[in-house]
Amino acid sequence: DVKVTQSSRYLVKRTGEKVFLECVQDMDHENMFWYRQDPGLGLRLIYFSYDVKMKEKGDIPEGYSVSREKKERFSLILESASTNQTSMYLCASTPEGYGYTFGSGTRLTVV
Amino acid sequence: AQSVTQLDSQVPVFEEAPVELRCNYSSSVSVYLFWYVQYPNQGLQLLLKYLSGSTLVKGINGFEAEFNKSQTSFHLRKPSVHISDTAEYFCAVKYSGAGSYQLTFGKGTKLSVIP
Repeated sequence: DVKVTQSSRYLVKRTGEKVFLECVQDMDHENMFWYRQDPGLGLRLIYFSYDVKMKEKGDIPEGYSVSREKKERFSLILESASTNQTSMYLCASTPEGYGYTFGSGTRLTVV
Repeated sequence: AQSVTQLDSQVPVFEEAPVELRCNYSSSVSVYLFWYVQYPNQGLQLLLKYLSGSTLVKGINGFEAEFNKSQTSFHLRKPSVHISDTAEYFCAVKYSGAGSYQLTFGKGTKLSVIP
């Protein structure tokens, strides 16, 4: 079965820490995405990548960066975590955009 | 900017009753349409999708949706809900365009099935 794996289900970090959220897919998909999900706001796109070493800003990239050194791995980086980045983070991948496969999500709390 | 509107943020319904979750999108250009379901503390799972062809699409767990181009809608329906359908449902649209693989999501509808 196809899979998108996010390395942590729950994370607690302190304000100012550098935080890495990892996402790995085993489907050889070119396109990968990072969303954050907040109550009442739905899913908002942070960054996406359509190829190795390629990245594009989504709707809310401020405070985040990404890395895609290998096709199967797409990392989201919070350079200096802040409390307003407390959220559920969802990774997804797709070969052509006709349906995403999502990971289980990482619930990040910044204290 | 393209947008997706889910008209109800919360929908309570009794078990075995029918339900409709409404979704409208902003553009009449060629689109692909999706419904996803999210159970508590989980990622999103694809329920069904419309790419082309018949405007009535059947998905998993007894759900179906109808694409209405003139009304730019893609409402989700189930004739008889179960307790296990309690979840949050997201409508999503992919607008056509070269190299465009992004989905635009609605803000979600929380379905609560009451025993």
